[in-house]
Amino acid sequence: KQEVTQIPAALSVPEGENLVLNCSFTDSAIYNLQWFRQDPGKGLTSLLLIQSSQREQTSGRLNASLDKSSGRSTLYIAASQPGDSATYLCVPADRGSTLGRLYFGRGTQLTVWP
Amino acid sequence: DGGITQSPKHLFRKEGQNVTLSCEQNLNHDAMYWYRQDPGQGLRLIYYSQIVNDFQKGDIAEGYSVSREKKESFPLTVTSAQKNPTAFYLCASSRGLAQYTDTQYFGPGTRLTVL
Repeated sequence: KQEVTQIPAALSVPEGENLVLNCSFTDSAIYNLQWFRQDPGKGLTSLLLIQSSQREQTSGRLNASLDKSSGRSTLYIAASQPGDSATYLCVPADRGSTLGRLYFGRGTQLTVWP
Repeated sequence: DGGITQSPKHLFRKEGQNVTLSCEQNLNHDAMYWYRQDPGQGLRLIYYSQIVNDFQKGDIAEGYSVSREKKESFPLTVTSAQKNPTAFYLCASSRGLAQYTDTQYFGPGTRLTVL
C-alpha cells in the first residue's frame, strides 16, 4: 500500500520567503502526482498535476518537481504571501488498478505571517 | 458557474440516527467519490461511483451507504452502524474513473458532529 510522508508537518515563515515542501512516497509505480491546497474547514483545490513522464510543472509562483524513481516530489513556493497559508497535500495516483487510487498523507500546514 | 456543492456545511446528529449528506455536481463528470477526513489524518475513501446506478466500496465503507440515481448526485448516508461518525466529509468528482488522467474536483465539505 502506498504511504505518503510530507516534511515538515508544519511551517511558519515571514512573508516574502521562498519555501520548499517535501513529499516522499513508498511505491514509485505511480501514474501522476498532484499537489492540492486545503484551507481550514474547506475542500481541496488542485494546484499542480505532474504526469509520471514529466519532471516538473509550474504555475505562477509554484513549481513542483517529481523524481519518480526515488519516490520524491517537491513543491517550491516563491515569494510567499499570507494568502498562501493553508495545508498542502501531496497526492500520488496509483497506476495499478482501474480505479487509479489517490493516496493522501497528512500534509504540510503552512503559515505565512506579514 | 460549474462546481460541486455539498450541503449542509455543518450537521449535528444524535446517536442512533441515520443522516444523509448531499453532493451535487454540474461538471458533467461521470465519476464521483466520498472521502472522510479526521484531524491530523489524510483523506480516506469511503465509496466511489463510475456511472449512474453503479458504486463500489472504498477502504472504510462500513456504516455508510450511497446511491447514484442521477449523474449529478451522489448522496452519502451515515448510518447508526458507523461507530465513530464525527468527521469532515468531502465529495469529489472527475471526468472518468481513471483518476490517474484527470484531476479531481472537491466540494467544500460537510462537518458532521454526533452529539
